[in-house]
Amino acid sequence: NAGVTQTPKFQVLKTGQSMTLQCAQDMNHNSMYWYRQDPGMGLRLIYYSASEGTTDKGEVPNGYNVSRLNKREFSLRLESAAPSQTSVYFCASSEAPVGYGYTFGSGTRLTVV
Amino acid sequence: SQKIEQNSEALNIQEGKTATLTCNYTNYSPAYLQWYRQDPGRGPVFLLLIRENEKEKRKERLKVTFDTTLKQSLFHITASQPADSATYLCALGGEGRRALTFGSGTRLQVQP
Repeated sequence: NAGVTQTPKFQVLKTGQSMTLQCAQDMNHNSMYWYRQDPGMGLRLIYYSASEGTTDKGEVPNGYNVSRLNKREFSLRLESAAPSQTSVYFCASSEAPVGYGYTFGSGTRLTVV
Repeated sequence: SQKIEQNSEALNIQEGKTATLTCNYTNYSPAYLQWYRQDPGRGPVFLLLIRENEKEKRKERLKVTFDTTLKQSLFHITASQPADSATYLCALGGEGRRALTFGSGTRLQVQP
């Protein structure tokens, strides 16, 4: 039972480069989320998808785009990476945004130089 | 704006004692509150969920209280063990269909 799988685990980008973070869940959850975690700031929501076919902005969406490819997969794209996007990125999933615990992946540590 | 406050200073306690962590919030009316555990280099792990109409919830050595008047939740670990050492995050949800909002967490260190 894999849960939530994120790839890659580590990535170094140069300013201006683009990349896509991949996330897949095998629990048949309806909802998926992308958070970033920075020291002293906790987890901040970037985007989420309450159900297949829908996406909504979170607290810090600027500089990111997302795609809910199907029920299992939710990707996060950085079109033009900036040093301010250096962070640890976590994908999560749950039955619904409300009233259920979230299952998190192990994270992607991204450094933009 | 909405704000969730958790003590940023680490909590150090002796093995066997009860650890109590606090989560306060302002400008928010959550329908429920959750607690997560996070170990270094790992993703958060869901522990407990408590709804606004529940005053207290227990799971093994864990107990959570939720006071919507004080806008506060307390998270207790009884008979604490060194293996309980981790960062504990509280999260609020339930307004509309928006996803959870997390606090920045409190690090717990249990000394043997």
